[in-house]
Amino acid sequence: NAGVTQTPKFRVLKTGQSMTLLCAQDMNHEYMYWYRQDPGMGLRLIHYSVGEGTTAKGEVPDGYNVSRLKKQNFLLGLESAAPSQTSVYFCASSYDRGPWGYTFGSGTRLTVV
Amino acid sequence: KQEVTQIPAALSVPEGENLVLNCSFTDSAIYNLQWFRQDPGKGLTSLLLIQSSQREQTSGRLNASLDKSSGRSTLYIAASQPGDSATYLCAVRGTTSGTYKYIFGTGTRLKVLA
Repeated sequence: NAGVTQTPKFRVLKTGQSMTLLCAQDMNHEYMYWYRQDPGMGLRLIHYSVGEGTTAKGEVPDGYNVSRLKKQNFLLGLESAAPSQTSVYFCASSYDRGPWGYTFGSGTRLTVV
Repeated sequence: KQEVTQIPAALSVPEGENLVLNCSFTDSAIYNLQWFRQDPGKGLTSLLLIQSSQREQTSGRLNASLDKSSGRSTLYIAASQPGDSATYLCAVRGTTSGTYKYIFGTGTRLKVLA
């Protein structure tokens, strides 16, 4: 009964380094999302995917790339990390656009120094 | 563009009190509205999901109502306990093409005092 699993849970990067955050879901959900959460700004959508092989930009996509090569996995990449990308990153998934709710992962706390 | 507002931003109440958290949204074309709980440093836990055709949903001491035409939802917590202390977020899912993603409010931080 894993639901949505995010790895890693914590990470510290130096400016300019790259990394990939992994989101895996075992509920056969079609839609997957990456959000970032910052104090006073709520959750903001970075990128999302409506199915295997598809991705689309959200509100704050700059500096991030994503891939959805397998239905159950959604990867978020930072090619050249900046201090402004210090945040908590959440992955979520849902069946489709209809009357379904989101299931969230437990988050990745990323610090860029 | 959908905007979601939660008032108040923070609330402190004595244990045992009944309380209401408010959520308002600007576009009534929604599939549903979801209430989440977030504990400090943790992820989001879904509390209640109300479809656009429903007026309310209940789970234990929690009751969420939805008035789509006026763009409002309330989360009612009965007989509050210190364990209810957390941030409560509401999110709405739109029906307009390209807007079926959830849009979140910034949350109400609740503290229940023993």
